[in-house]
Amino acid sequence: AQTVTQSQPEMSVQEAETVTLSCTYDTSESDYYLFWYKQPPSRQMILVIRQEAYKQQNATENRFSVNFQKAAKSFSLKISDSQLGDAAMYFCAYRTGGADGLTFGKGTHLIIQP
Amino acid sequence: DGGITQSPKYLFRKEGQNVTLSCEQNLNHDAMYWYRQDPGQGLRLIYYSQIVNDFQKGDIAEGYSVSREKKESFPLTVTSAQKNPTAFYLCASSIGRQGKETQYFGPGTRLLVL
Repeated sequence: AQTVTQSQPEMSVQEAETVTLSCTYDTSESDYYLFWYKQPPSRQMILVIRQEAYKQQNATENRFSVNFQKAAKSFSLKISDSQLGDAAMYFCAYRTGGADGLTFGKGTHLIIQP
Repeated sequence: DGGITQSPKYLFRKEGQNVTLSCEQNLNHDAMYWYRQDPGQGLRLIYYSQIVNDFQKGDIAEGYSVSREKKESFPLTVTSAQKNPTAFYLCASSIGRQGKETQYFGPGTRLLVL
C-alpha cells in the first residue's frame, strides 16, 4: 500500500520569508501523480500544485514550487515571499495513474508570523 | 457558477440512526469521491464512483453506503454500523477517472453524534 509521510506537524515563518514543507512517499508504482493541497480555517481543500512523476522538471505556480526527487521519493513544497493568507494546513497527496482516490499525509500546519 | 455543493453544513446523528450526506456537482465530472477527515489526520477515502451506477469501496468503507443514480449526485449514508461517525466529511470530483485528473473538493459536512 502507498503511504505518504509529512514529518513536520507545524512550521512557522516570518511574513515575506521562504519556507519549505517536507513530504516523502512510498510506492512501487512507476506511473503516479503528486499533489499539494491547502486547507485554510474554512476547511475547503484547495489545490496548490501538482507534479507528474514522469516529468523531471519541477512544477511551479507563482510563489509555490516543488522539489521532486523521484529516486528519494521526496516531494517538498517551497513557498516564497510568504503572505498572511498562506496560513493553513498543507497536505501532500499521492495518486496512482490508474485512478481511485488520493492518499494523503497527515498535514503540516503553517503559521505565518507578521 | 460551477462547483461542488455539500449539505448540510452540520449534521447531528442519534445513536442507531442512519443519516445521509448530500453531494452535488455541476461540473459535468464523471468521477466522484467521499473522504473522511479526523482531527490531526489527513483525509481517508471512503467510497468512489467513476461512472453512473458504479462505485468502489475505499480504505474505510465499513459502516457507510453510497449510490450513484445520477452523474451529478453522489450521496453518502452513514449507517448505525459506523460506531465512530464523528468527523468532517469531504466530497470531491474529477473530470475523469485517470490519475492525472485533479480532484476538486466541496466545502464539507461536519457530522456530530448526540
